[in-house]
Amino acid sequence: EPEVTQTPSHQVTQMGQEVILRCVPISNHLYFYWYRQILGQKVEFLVSFYNNEISEKSEIFDDQFSVERPDGSNFTLKIRSTKLEDSAMYFCASSEQASGRAREQFFGPGTRLTVL
Amino acid sequence: GIQVEQSPPDLILQEGANSTLRCNFSDSVNNLQWFHQNPWGQLINLFYIPSGTKQNGRLSATTVATERYSLLYISSSQTTDSGVYFCAVTSNFGNEKLTFGTGTRLTIIP
Repeated sequence: EPEVTQTPSHQVTQMGQEVILRCVPISNHLYFYWYRQILGQKVEFLVSFYNNEISEKSEIFDDQFSVERPDGSNFTLKIRSTKLEDSAMYFCASSEQASGRAREQFFGPGTRLTVL
Repeated sequence: GIQVEQSPPDLILQEGANSTLRCNFSDSVNNLQWFHQNPWGQLINLFYIPSGTKQNGRLSATTVATERYSLLYISSSQTTDSGVYFCAVTSNFGNEKLTFGTGTRLTIIP
């Protein structure tokens, strides 16, 4: 069964460093998302991406964050200068094109980011 | 934005018991999904159920969209059912993002 994959599973970085989190969505999916979950809290939406551009972003997704689809398979989230409060589990999700109904989102296993 | 509330926040049950988890949402939705977050933090898709009833083994779910709630039923609980269960919805009004509830933490005792 096709699945969303994410690398790395764990990332430890120093405050102020840049990190890139990588995702490979399900191959025929056209919509891509990033969510995050701070330890002990609920999952929060960061950004959605369709047709090579951001379709929606949350207040959390400030200038420190960027997303990119550098090739036909990868979808990346970059944090330019990490802060302590960026420590969280980051989930990538994807969904297929579906007219007339909302699309089911499929989640990857997550990348646990720890900022020291 | 849309509000999603889940109840109860915590539930402790003996193995073999049945349980019902509830998700209330504040506005009309065009997507509702139930997830199980396992001890490793992974979000496992359980149901995509914007309306109606679905069953998958010991789990079933019902969404009554007109009354703005969904229920997740777990029968004959096993210790592997332990974890946090999240409901997440997409509002009818324009965007694609899933808004998650705060979850129900289920603990199954052997």
